Amino acid sequence: AQTVTQSQPEMSVQEAETVTLSCTYDTSESDYYLFWYKQPPSRQMILVIRQEAYKQQNATENRFSVNFQKAAKSFSLKISDSQLGDAAMYFCAYMGFFFGNEKLTFGTGTRLTIIP
Amino acid sequence: EAGVAQSPRYKIIEKRQSVAFWCNPISGHATLYWYQQILGQGPKLLIQFQNNGVVDDSQLPKDRFSAERLKGVDSTLKIQPAKLEDSAVYLCASSLNSDRGKNYEQYFGPGTRLTVT
Repeated sequence: AQTVTQSQPEMSVQEAETVTLSCTYDTSESDYYLFWYKQPPSRQMILVIRQEAYKQQNATENRFSVNFQKAAKSFSLKISDSQLGDAAMYFCAYMGFFFGNEKLTFGTGTRLTIIP
Repeated sequence: EAGVAQSPRYKIIEKRQSVAFWCNPISGHATLYWYQQILGQGPKLLIQFQNNGVVDDSQLPKDRFSAERLKGVDSTLKIQPAKLEDSAVYLCASSLNSDRGKNYEQYFGPGTRLTVT
């Protein structure tokens, strides 16, 4: 079974600075997807960024980028120019590649605080 | 495009009572998921439907939880009887299709917060 580990329960960053959230995972599959979701107090899970394991290039979405190290099974999220609206719980998630294994396996989350 | 709708947003019940949650996925989305998110944890899949058939219900406590997706659109998740440990947020998500090469991204609803006293 796949597992996802987020070792930082809480992180804080000064507004406009850069912060990196860590995530490691365990799987025996060679093809899969990885995601970072944001969950504000409203509880709605919002997709921040995704990475296909077969792509070597790290995904980037505006101020959000990932450092995907497949051999190390590491998938960290970098938020540049942090904004107050970035404050939320961030969850790393794994999804299998094949039919019947599309469920998302989530980590325990990292609470990100933005300091004005 | 309307998002995933869920109701109610909040529910408080006493243990041993029953409760039902409703989910309306994004129009045209074939796959529907129910997740349970206990406070301080990440969501955990309870059940996955492809159209109106069950793909994965391995983590659904079938002695008290049931779910259905009639006509492959709306879905209802029921708990009967509820226990204190069922207090959680229940999230519904949908995706266009689970086939590889198609849109596998899951879109989440706002969730239902259940408190069992």
